[in-house]
Amino acid sequence: QVQLVESGGGVVQPGRSLRLSCAASGFAFSTYGMHWVRQAPGMGLEWVAVIAYDGSNQFYADSVKGRFTISRDNSRNTLYLQMNSLRREDTAVYYCVKAPPGPNYYMDVWGPGTTVTVSS
Amino acid sequence: QSALTQPASVSGSPGQSITISCTGSSSDVGGYDYVSWYQQIPGKVPKVMIYHVTKRPSGVSDRFSGSKSGNTASLTISGLQAEDEADYYCGSYTRRSTWLFGGGTKLTVL
Repeated sequence: QVQLVESGGGVVQPGRSLRLSCAASGFAFSTYGMHWVRQAPGMGLEWVAVIAYDGSNQFYADSVKGRFTISRDNSRNTLYLQMNSLRREDTAVYYCVKAPPGPNYYMDVWGPGTTVTVSS
Repeated sequence: QSALTQPASVSGSPGQSITISCTGSSSDVGGYDYVSWYQQIPGKVPKVMIYHVTKRPSGVSDRFSGSKSGNTASLTISGLQAEDEADYYCGSYTRRSTWLFGGGTKLTVL
């Protein structure tokens, strides 16, 4: 079955960097767009970034643009999120999320998430 | 990019119907039929309940339905059950090729 497993979370100081990974299995990873969505403690969902199935296009939320980079390695079935210049407000659970096939605009499968804590 | 506007909380008794609204703008909710709704039970990951305004994924109860009028989308849950108690989020594709979520609505089944 479709499985997404995030890793790379942890505690990091403000201003430092962290790279999250998401290992995908159970589907043809290279044919689907992928998202990162985050949720701060006790707060709602915030969309972070999306990447096209072939990596040709990426879009970002204003809150992370210029600091975060979404990428993918289709040969490794892995999605990444490089997070630079981290701020306390980036503290959240980060979810890797699969887009559905075809011209469909929603998020259909979510990973369990990995927790990022930005603190000195 | 401001979040879509949802009521913070709604409540209803078992068997009743409730509706959760989601208000955006002509650049997102009003501009596309790409509104989706997600259920998040505390401690769990979100689950899509409605997509493209009115469509239900397989396995989702037909007690869940969606609609849209102008810049406001709505999720209606009929025949409310205790298991429906959760947080509900709307989401929309936007003119900038990005996505927005609503702030979330806590549903309490009395």
